[in-house]
Amino acid sequence: AQKITQTQPGMFVQEKEAVTLDCTYDTSDPSYGLFWYKQPSSGEMIFLIYQGSYDQQNATEGRYSLNFQKARKSANLVISASQLGDSAMYFCAMRESNAGNNRKLIWGLGTSLAVNP
Amino acid sequence: NAGVTQTPKFQVLKTGQSMTLQCAQDMNHNSMYWYRQDPGMGLRLIYYSASEGTTDKGEVPNGYNVSRLNKREFSLRLESAAPSQTSVYFCASKTGTSSYEQYFGPGTRLTVT
Repeated sequence: AQKITQTQPGMFVQEKEAVTLDCTYDTSDPSYGLFWYKQPSSGEMIFLIYQGSYDQQNATEGRYSLNFQKARKSANLVISASQLGDSAMYFCAMRESNAGNNRKLIWGLGTSLAVNP
Repeated sequence: NAGVTQTPKFQVLKTGQSMTLQCAQDMNHNSMYWYRQDPGMGLRLIYYSASEGTTDKGEVPNGYNVSRLNKREFSLRLESAAPSQTSVYFCASKTGTSSYEQYFGPGTRLTVT
C-alpha cells in the first residue's frame, strides 16, 4: 500500500541555519510525484515544491530544495537560511498511483518546525 | 483572482443539526476536493470531484454529502452533525491536466457540541 512517513513530529532550528525535514514513501508504481506543503499557524496550506519520479534533477524553489533519493525512497525537504516565518507545520504528500489525471494525494502526518531567533 | 474561497470560516453546531460548507474557485480548475484535518491524523480526503457533474468518495465519506454545482463550486453537507465531525475542513482544487499541485482554501473550523 502507498504510504508517506514523516518521522520527526517536531524540529527546532536556529535562525539562518539550514534544516532538513524527513519524508519517506512507499509505492511500487514507477510513476509518482512528491509534494511538500507548509501550514503556518494561520491555518492555510501553502504549496512549496514538487518532485516527479522521473525528474533527473532535485527540485528547487528559492530557499527550498527537495533531496530526492529514489533508491532509498526518501524525499527530504531542505530549507536553507531559516527565517522566523518558516515556523510552521510541514506536510509531505505523494500523488497516488493510478491512471488518469485525477490522482489523489496521500499525506504524511506532518513535522512541526520552530525557528529560534 | 481570489483563488479558492470557503465559507464560513468558523461554525458551531449542535449535535443533529445540518449545514453546508461552501467552496468556490475562480481558476477554472476541473478537480475539486474536500479534506478534513484532525490533530495527529494529517489530512484525510472526504470526497472529490474530478470534473463538473462527477463526485467520488474519498477516505472518510460517512456522514457527508457533496454537490458539484458547477465548475466553480463544490459544497460539502453534513446532514446530522456529530461531535466526531468536529474538525477543520479544507477545500482544494487543481487543473486536472498537467499540473499536479492542489490549491487550498483557508479552511473552515467546525465545532459540534
